[in-house]
Amino acid sequence: SAVISQKPSRDICQRGTSLTIQCQVDSQVTMMFWYRQQPGQSLTLIATANQGSEATYESGFVIDKFPISRPNLTFSTLTVSNMSPEDSSIYLCSVSGRATLGEQFFGPGTRLTVL
Amino acid sequence: QKEVEQNSGPLSVPEGAIASLNCTYSDRVSQSFFWYRQYSGKSPELIMSIYSNGDKEDGRFTAQLNKASQYVSLLIRDSQPSDSATYLCAVKGSSGDKLTFGTGTRLAVRP
Repeated sequence: SAVISQKPSRDICQRGTSLTIQCQVDSQVTMMFWYRQQPGQSLTLIATANQGSEATYESGFVIDKFPISRPNLTFSTLTVSNMSPEDSSIYLCSVSGRATLGEQFFGPGTRLTVL
Repeated sequence: QKEVEQNSGPLSVPEGAIASLNCTYSDRVSQSFFWYRQYSGKSPELIMSIYSNGDKEDGRFTAQLNKASQYVSLLIRDSQPSDSATYLCAVKGSSGDKLTFGTGTRLAVRP
């Protein structure tokens, strides 16, 4: 499976600021996704990052709050904008190279704390 | 009704026993089913995938799928303390590429 890295691995931010999280894959992949995992909870899909076009957001998530870029088949960014303490969470990117089967592989995650 | 349901546990089994983890899903035409293992503070790791009815074995792990009952399970034989983790069931629906995750079952293997 692909090697996936995320930067930063963790950060502590002040409310009202923004943080951009990077996800890098060592090979070209078809699909890239961004998830949020709040403490003690399961994974919630934020959006699908589409190469060369706007991301597809899930219900409850909007582009103004979580802008996403995917300039090529190996890289994506998620920005958490105008942060509040409720945004404290682990943010995970995942990739899938075989969309029809659906297997996804996760990066190591970014642990965000908003004060 | 939740789309993917799991018993949150914790499920506690003694070392060497069989751990049985269960998952039900609501989308009758779901195509693909996955089990992920997540250690505390780590990201989910794919351990099993299953696409057709029946059993699929990989080492100490067996995934079982029954589409008629909308039920998927994971059996872990000869459980080890290192198997202690949260196990997430994920389902790929009939359309699109996204996975829907259950809330996870926490497994504790007692030495």
